[in-house]
Amino acid sequence: DAGVIQSPRHEVTEMGQEVTLRCKPISGHDYLFWYRQTMMRGLELLIYFNNNVPIDDSGMPEDRFSAKMPNASFSTLKIQPSEPRDSAVYFCASSLRYRSNYGYTFGSGTRLTVV
Amino acid sequence: AQTVTQSQPEMSVQEAETVTLSCTYDTSESDYYLFWYKQPPSRQMILVIRQEAYKQQNATENRFSVNFQKAAKSFSLKISDSQLGDAAMYFCAYQGSARQLTFGSGTQLTVLP
Repeated sequence: DAGVIQSPRHEVTEMGQEVTLRCKPISGHDYLFWYRQTMMRGLELLIYFNNNVPIDDSGMPEDRFSAKMPNASFSTLKIQPSEPRDSAVYFCASSLRYRSNYGYTFGSGTRLTVV
Repeated sequence: AQTVTQSQPEMSVQEAETVTLSCTYDTSESDYYLFWYKQPPSRQMILVIRQEAYKQQNATENRFSVNFQKAAKSFSLKISDSQLGDAAMYFCAYQGSARQLTFGSGTQLTVLP
């Protein structure tokens, strides 16, 4: 299995531009999570999906952020318009089932820099 | 809400020695899972070890073991025979009735040759 695949690995964009981050979860995993990592706030959950349905988006910072999961093998996190404070590493993770002792499998993250 | 606290921002250990990383958590739940994740400079989050709260026996994975004290809400990670490849940021994480993992702030481990 190729694991959780995220793209791009690095993204540099100008303030005000739209940014789309992509994630392919592990086949068969029914939970998908988006996390953001910054020095100031650490790892924080943005949103998670169960069977492609958004369950909890309370961590999405603002209306500028949106996430979709059109099918079981693909999810996107979009920021429009982007701001310098959005600079962070964004992780996608997937899980076979919740509250299991398998934990999550994380992707390698996308480092976003907004200038 | 659950909180996870890692009070040691940085730790160092001599190669081949043993080091213990601390973690405490706050919860009112009785059934939950605890994890340690490792994040090397490649930034990949790697699951190191897991513990189910209902199990009294401490989890062990090769050189990694935990000391789980449920009453004290403590979950420390012991790394034995430390290797240069163990150098990384280590995160303690909690998973309760909510699906998501709640992470601590991390401990940066340096392994000295």
